[in-house]
Amino acid sequence: EVQLVESGGGMVQPGGSLRLSCAVSGFTFSNYRMTWVRQAPGEGLEWVARIKEDGSEKYYVDSVKGRFTISRDNAKNSLFLQMNSLRAEDTAVYYCVRGQHSHDYWGQGALVTVSS
Amino acid sequence: QSALTQPPSASGSPGQSVTISCTGTSSDVGGYNLVSWYQQHPGKAPKLMIYEVSKRPSGVPDRFSGSKSGNTASLTVSGLQAEDEADYYCSSYAGGNNVFGSGTKVTVL
Repeated sequence: EVQLVESGGGMVQPGGSLRLSCAVSGFTFSNYRMTWVRQAPGEGLEWVARIKEDGSEKYYVDSVKGRFTISRDNAKNSLFLQMNSLRAEDTAVYYCVRGQHSHDYWGQGALVTVSS
Repeated sequence: QSALTQPPSASGSPGQSVTISCTGTSSDVGGYNLVSWYQQHPGKAPKLMIYEVSKRPSGVPDRFSGSKSGNTASLTVSGLQAEDEADYYCSSYAGGNNVFGSGTKVTVL
């Protein structure tokens, strides 16, 4: 059974940092590009970042470039999102999802709240 | 990287059909046959319903169908059922990045 389990969410002050992790099981992690998608409270979905199978290529939405870093550890079947210089508008549920052009498996989401 | 444009709401009676549009540009929807559609019920993670414009993942009823013409993609739900009431989002590859639609709330009357 495919599972994606996010962790690391929580409340942080503006300007602070947080690192999200996603533990994956049930498929060969190193064969798939992986993506982070977020959803602000009561809002729609927003594509955030994607990483190639071997980590050699990374893409980001403009609003997080220079602040967020996506990475992966294929040996540990894990995906990460390092979030620095957090802003109130980064408050959202962050989903770890499988795939590049379409996303067939989603985690349950991790809530990140940026507030003073 | 602007969101794709979807109507905020759509509705239909049980058994009827509803079609949701998703309008982008030649840099995303019109440039690639890589449009996907997601269904999201309240408090749940999204579920993939259509990929590569018109393909259905295993387990998705054939009541759900997708198409594309130019810069606009569409999702049609035929034979509406109560469980189809949800938010629906389109998404497209945009040459490096991906972009989601603004979302459409489908109500079954």
